[in-house]
Amino acid sequence: GAGVSQSPSNKVTEKGKDVELRCDPISGHTALYWYRQSLGQGLEFLIYFQGNSAPDKSGLPSDRFSAERTGGSVSTLTIQRTQQEDSAVYLCASSPSGANYGYTFGSGTRLTVV
Amino acid sequence: AQRVTQPEKLLSVFKGAPVELKCNYSYSGSPELFWYVQYSRQRLQLLLRHISRESIKGFTADLNKGETSFHLKKPFAQEEDSAMYYCALMGTSGSRLTFGEGTQLTVNP
Repeated sequence: GAGVSQSPSNKVTEKGKDVELRCDPISGHTALYWYRQSLGQGLEFLIYFQGNSAPDKSGLPSDRFSAERTGGSVSTLTIQRTQQEDSAVYLCASSPSGANYGYTFGSGTRLTVV
Repeated sequence: AQRVTQPEKLLSVFKGAPVELKCNYSYSGSPELFWYVQYSRQRLQLLLRHISRESIKGFTADLNKGETSFHLKKPFAQEEDSAMYYCALMGTSGSRLTFGEGTQLTVNP
């Protein structure tokens, strides 16, 4: 597609439920990133995929968070047993290769845990 | 470890006034620095990057390695510049960006 696509755009879920957030990067972009945007917290790095290499999971806040990227394209971020502190905007970005030329961001998924 | 600090969460100026959004970084190597902008109800987008030495929408940023700063400047602010601005750093691994907490700029008429 022309840009990075994320779905859903908004998600309201009950505490304790699992959620899946989807990211469809720009075709041909080998690098894919997930960030979390919270008020007053800036952009918090979660996970980074580059080609067929093992992902950099160093930013995942707990073992309730996981992500996968199938076929080097679409990525899914899963949050299990959601907590209220998980409420945030989850941003996906892609780049041709690494961060040298900056990222192209999606419009984000606003997650609200009630 | 790499860190980006934007000391001002909120910045308000009048139209036509100069504006400077501060960014300081901590990194032991030679970083690449970026500024991203998010206008109301739009997605985050790249404004400019140090390596390109470019001026976008009248904004410029100079890397000062002595002061470890990459402040964003514009001589005459416009109302349409109102947005959230993020400074970001890429380390020598070139793998990912570290972002600051952002500065919300408001340009008043």
